[in-house]
Amino acid sequence: DIQMTQSPSSLSASVGDRVTITCRASQSISSYLNWYQQKPGKAPKLLIYAASSLQSGVPSRFSGSGSGTDFTLTISSLQPEDFATYYCQQSYSTPPLFTFGPGTKVDIK
Amino acid sequence: EVQLVQSGAEVKKPGESLKISCKGSGYSFTSYWIGWVRQMPGKGLEWMGIIYPGDSDTRYSPSFQGQVTISADKSISTAYLQWSSLKASDTAMYYCARQGSGLDYWGQGTLVTVSS
Repeated sequence: DIQMTQSPSSLSASVGDRVTITCRASQSISSYLNWYQQKPGKAPKLLIYAASSLQSGVPSRFSGSGSGTDFTLTISSLQPEDFATYYCQQSYSTPPLFTFGPGTKVDIK
Repeated sequence: EVQLVQSGAEVKKPGESLKISCKGSGYSFTSYWIGWVRQMPGKGLEWMGIIYPGDSDTRYSPSFQGQVTISADKSISTAYLQWSSLKASDTAMYYCARQGSGLDYWGQGTLVTVSS
């Protein structure tokens, strides 16, 4: 099974900060990597798919990069509505076994 | 507009059975996989399994194989997640989501509470 790790597990940041979250897969997953944002009491929301493609309607301050085993989600200028937990997810495995990372909580400094 | 609407919250006793639902609308229900995701209280997201409503091809995460059953009724555009004998450890929020490019549409979640 492919295992996903994320770092850091949590971070504190201020509005306007540049924030970077890292996700690592236990084996190569090409670009089959997605990023989600989840706010308390809400369903997750897709931000980035295929490592770097921005989902429709998602602000351009969110970007994704990477391939193989190492991936990054960047928020270029953190906004108040971005305080949330972020999860990566691999969609490489067959049969579909789309493991999530453990999550990174972004809160207010 | 694509929507996934899940059934309401459930409170059950250990050993009881349960079937929760996820109704799709606004797209061709038989053309996209539907996945199920568990979130235990205060914890992260766990992939449970996925079904293709077009032919009911179903795949399970090893962690959930034998513990739950995923099914679909394409005539009413609805996917299901069911338990034959609930345990307290099944207490969680359960989400369905459409597998497009990523899990692009999500249901609102169904909270299942199992307590004696």
